[in-house]
Amino acid sequence: DTAVSQTPKYLVTQMGNDKSIKCEQNLGHDTMYWYKQDSKKFLKIMFSYNNKELIINETVPNRFSPKSPDKAHLNLHINSLELGDSAVYFCASSPISGGGYEQFFGPGTRLTVL
Amino acid sequence: KQEVTQIPAALSVPEGENLVLNCSFTDSAIYNLQWFRQDPGKGLTSLLLIQSSQREQTSGRLNASLDKSSGRSTLYIAASQPGDSATYLCAVTGGATNKLIFGTGTLLAVQP
Repeated sequence: DTAVSQTPKYLVTQMGNDKSIKCEQNLGHDTMYWYKQDSKKFLKIMFSYNNKELIINETVPNRFSPKSPDKAHLNLHINSLELGDSAVYFCASSPISGGGYEQFFGPGTRLTVL
Repeated sequence: KQEVTQIPAALSVPEGENLVLNCSFTDSAIYNLQWFRQDPGKGLTSLLLIQSSQREQTSGRLNASLDKSSGRSTLYIAASQPGDSATYLCAVTGGATNKLIFGTGTLLAVQP
């Protein structure tokens, strides 16, 4: 299937641990994004990569580090996890970074930090 | 700084009613506006995308309008069904980076 996929779907971990979330898109898009949906269901952009280059880095703690090994993958690594990191993380992609192209979202990764 | 607001925050209607969800944004310099649906515990499903040069888009029982100058969009759902129950989110893009700025969402419940 052509889609944006994320692994894992659920992630439960202890405070202080380091974890990664992976995202892959097979839509041939150049641009990928990470969004965070907090406990109040509010969605906010975190990062964006265009063809492996970081183009958006919102005010996110530097414990969060995105990595794009190629334009089809954008992973999110989180160090020293805190309770407040518990949220749903969505990956998305679009054909290019500008011009208001439609974004396609993955199913989300629900992270719970205990 | 772009801010997107959705009214109402929650809405409950009986099956068969037509309804309107509202979205407003503070900066009219947008490229497009997207309406999404989110079911509980699920991801985002794109419903309609309206480019800044367009006034409306239709898909089945859904019709979205855009008035960029006034910073408003509406999502009209005709003949609502229980399966329409979900959270509806609007989001706008602007600037060179295409990042989506989301509204606060409207939780819709359609009662059978």
